[in-house]
Amino acid sequence: SQQGEEDPQALSIQEGENATMNCSYKTSINNLQWYRQNSGRGLVHLILIRSNEREKHSGRLRVTLDTSKKSSSLLITASRAADTASYFCAMNTGNQFYFGTGTSLTVIP
Amino acid sequence: NAGVTQTPKFQVLKTGQSMTLQCAQDMNHEYMSWYRQDPGMGLRLIHYSVGAGITDQGEVPNGYNVSRSTTEDFPLRLLSAAPSQTSVYFCASRKTGNGELFFGEGSRLTVL
Repeated sequence: SQQGEEDPQALSIQEGENATMNCSYKTSINNLQWYRQNSGRGLVHLILIRSNEREKHSGRLRVTLDTSKKSSSLLITASRAADTASYFCAMNTGNQFYFGTGTSLTVIP
Repeated sequence: NAGVTQTPKFQVLKTGQSMTLQCAQDMNHEYMSWYRQDPGMGLRLIHYSVGAGITDQGEVPNGYNVSRSTTEDFPLRLLSAAPSQTSVYFCASRKTGNGELFFGEGSRLTVL
């Protein structure tokens, strides 16, 4: 399987704290994307980082990519209760996407 | 724009029955794809299409058929449902290139 692995599987933090989730993958990629999924809903795109980029920011999100280690991390700063959701990394190899197993984030008000 | 629309949202089948999950998008996206999501497994690609008349297999294609006769529609067919196909199915589309996927709200299928 080319699925990615994410850790931690579950993360519980207080509102205002930072949340970090990690993704490791096996295949060569064109880019790596992060998605968010609220319970019972479809996935929503958060941020995309290309294989030749090392770091990218978007609002409270910071993504890093290390292609030599085949790993990425997503940092959410100053978390809010509304950030409670599952987060998935997705490795894009062109026409195929391989998703990670997900991190379930709970932000306690 | 409605985005990506999936129907039905819920379906219960008996083993051996057939059905079609519908997916339509109004964003003129060339690329469309189907995924299944199982607990602890993330999403796995079933089939995808890069344009009308072109389809290809993903990671877990067995037991599923697809066709792409128009840019807008990409139905997923289960010819003889099995309990192992109990899952939540997601359709997603994107523009040509390596950009983001736009997802539907999902179809929850239970096979008894």
